[in-house]
Amino acid sequence: TQLLEQSPQFLSIQEGENLTVYCNSSSVFSSLQWYRQEPGEGPVLLVTVVTGGEVKKLKRLTFQFGDARKDSSLHITAAQPGDTGLYLCAGALGAGNMLTFGGGTRLMVKP
Amino acid sequence: EAGVAQSPRYKIIEKRQSVAFWCNPISGHATLYWYQQILGQGPKLLIQFQNNGVVDDSQLPKDRFSAERLKGVDSTLKIQPAKLEDSAVYLCASSLTSGSYNEQFFGPGTRLTVL
Repeated sequence: TQLLEQSPQFLSIQEGENLTVYCNSSSVFSSLQWYRQEPGEGPVLLVTVVTGGEVKKLKRLTFQFGDARKDSSLHITAAQPGDTGLYLCAGALGAGNMLTFGGGTRLMVKP
Repeated sequence: EAGVAQSPRYKIIEKRQSVAFWCNPISGHATLYWYQQILGQGPKLLIQFQNNGVVDDSQLPKDRFSAERLKGVDSTLKIQPAKLEDSAVYLCASSLTSGSYNEQFFGPGTRLTVL
């Protein structure tokens, strides 16, 4: 059982559709990060959320940290083929930046 | 600014053989991490260094895996002997410090296949 559960594991949608990816845990995190990973590359940080209830926007991507700091969501509006990739959430349990990663959501956006 | 460098990019070995991976972090980054990413899963932290000291190696299979960061810059991760289940991408990452919210920068990884 993973500390961070991501859902769905796979998502295939058409260009222009909206989608939401979830990251859930029974543990409380001091911070939570979202990464995007493309084939043959390492993960790249998209955002860090720290405060319960926090919402951050990055162009068409909206990230939310749950009030209790146990869960997070990533919403993409009007998805584009360039959004295709593996989306990973990662949480830090205490002080410091040692991260525990979720299993990832593999997103494919078809033109 | 140069990113995290890793080599080799790909390695194929037979079980029971030995293999070593190399990582050169971003210049000035004190903290270095090695992760194992099995196909279809998220990365799992194997070991974290702060300069040349080990901060956490609780998930490193110490009977076969070893890592060092001599002089607090480059690092090597070794597997001896390799097992089939070690097939994975080995990612190296670095951050300025180990403090909260410090961004980790990842290298491209080494894809290991054990036959």
